[in-house]
Amino acid sequence: SQTIHQWPATLVQPVGSPLSLECTVEGTSNPNLYWYRQAAGRGLQLLFYSVGIGQISSEVPQNLSASRPQDRQFILSSKKLLLSDSGFYLCAWSGGGAGEAFFGQGTRLTVV
Amino acid sequence: AQSVTQLDSQVPVFEEAPVELRCNYSSSVSVYLFWYVQYPNQGLQLLLKYLSGSTLVKGINGFEAEFNKSQTSFHLRKPSVHISDTAEYFCAVTRYSSASKIIFGSGTRLSIRP
Repeated sequence: SQTIHQWPATLVQPVGSPLSLECTVEGTSNPNLYWYRQAAGRGLQLLFYSVGIGQISSEVPQNLSASRPQDRQFILSSKKLLLSDSGFYLCAWSGGGAGEAFFGQGTRLTVV
Repeated sequence: AQSVTQLDSQVPVFEEAPVELRCNYSSSVSVYLFWYVQYPNQGLQLLLKYLSGSTLVKGINGFEAEFNKSQTSFHLRKPSVHISDTAEYFCAVTRYSSASKIIFGSGTRLSIRP
């Protein structure tokens, strides 16, 4: 069966520090991969979307970047965090059936 | 491009009362539709999905949704809610394509009062 791992679960980082969040999927090949952000009291905002290795679509202009170095690995990064980068970050994958997405448990990022 | 509108940001209901969470979508092509539930500080869990066929879809935890193509709606319903249904609910849409991204609505927070 397919599983998705996202870590860390919580993270507190100072303003200006770098960021690296990692997500890996097991049990499937060539998945579509997503990074979403959920700010307090707001819905899910699609940040990045990838249909294959090295193929990244950025959905909104921002301080973050994403990379897909391997088929089932998706990394969210920043060189210098801003206070506005705080939020709940969710990784997801799709492609195993009728298009539904399967989510990781999320990372709560607090920038101080 | 597809879009999803969830008409209510918060829905308070009493325990054992019925509930309907509204969702409207916009798309120029055929789509798949989904409802997800999110409990505090967790990822999203799929409640149900509409792919094709019967317009009434049944999901987990006693929820169901009805696809209405003419009204471009996919409202979620439950005849009798429980305290444990307190969560945030998201409607989502994607095109009929293996390379299509999934777009989510802004969410509806369901709060159950005893």
